Amino acid sequence: AQTVTQSQPEMSVQEAETVTLSCTYDTSENNYYLFWYKQPPSRQMILVIRQEAYKQQNATENRFSVNFQKAAKSFSLKISDSQLGDTAMYFCAFMKREGTQGGSEKLVFGKGTKLTVNP
Amino acid sequence: NAGVTQTPKFRILKIGQSMTLQCTQDMNHNYMYWYRQDPGMGLKLIYYSVGAGITDKGEVPNGYNVSRSTTEDFPLRLELAAPSQTSVYFCASSRDTISYEQYFGPGTRLTVT
Repeated sequence: AQTVTQSQPEMSVQEAETVTLSCTYDTSENNYYLFWYKQPPSRQMILVIRQEAYKQQNATENRFSVNFQKAAKSFSLKISDSQLGDTAMYFCAFMKREGTQGGSEKLVFGKGTKLTVNP
Repeated sequence: NAGVTQTPKFRILKIGQSMTLQCTQDMNHNYMYWYRQDPGMGLKLIYYSVGAGITDKGEVPNGYNVSRSTTEDFPLRLELAAPSQTSVYFCASSRDTISYEQYFGPGTRLTVT
């Protein structure tokens, strides 16, 4: 079974600075996807960024980027130029690729990191 | 598009009562999911569906039932509510095997006392 570990329960950063959230995972699979989801106080789960395991290049989405180290099974999220609106819980998640027909793509979540951006 | 909607937003149940959490999506997504989120934890999959008439168990299905009679709706039924089912419940949907992005509803906070 896959497991996802987020070792930082809480982090804080000053506005406009950069912060990195850590995530490690355990799997014997070779074909999978990794995600970072954001959950603000409103509770809505919002996809931040996605990485396909077969891609060497790290994914980026505006101020958000990842450092994907497949051999080390590490998937950290870097937030640049932090903004007050980035304050939220951040969840790392893993999804095994079930095959072309799919049918059982299931997300496995870590416990989350609470990020606070201070003015 | 409203996306994924869930009702109710909040509910308090007494032990042994039953209820149905409603989930509807208007994106014509084939895949739908139910998760629960306990305090300080990530989400855990309860049940999922790959299309109308097809459902399957996730990681924590005990105490729950689902049905999928239409593409749009995926209700979650709690029978004989127990305090261990106190949680926040999220419904999600995704288009197909290619996109992989799951769109989440706003959640239902359920307390069983």
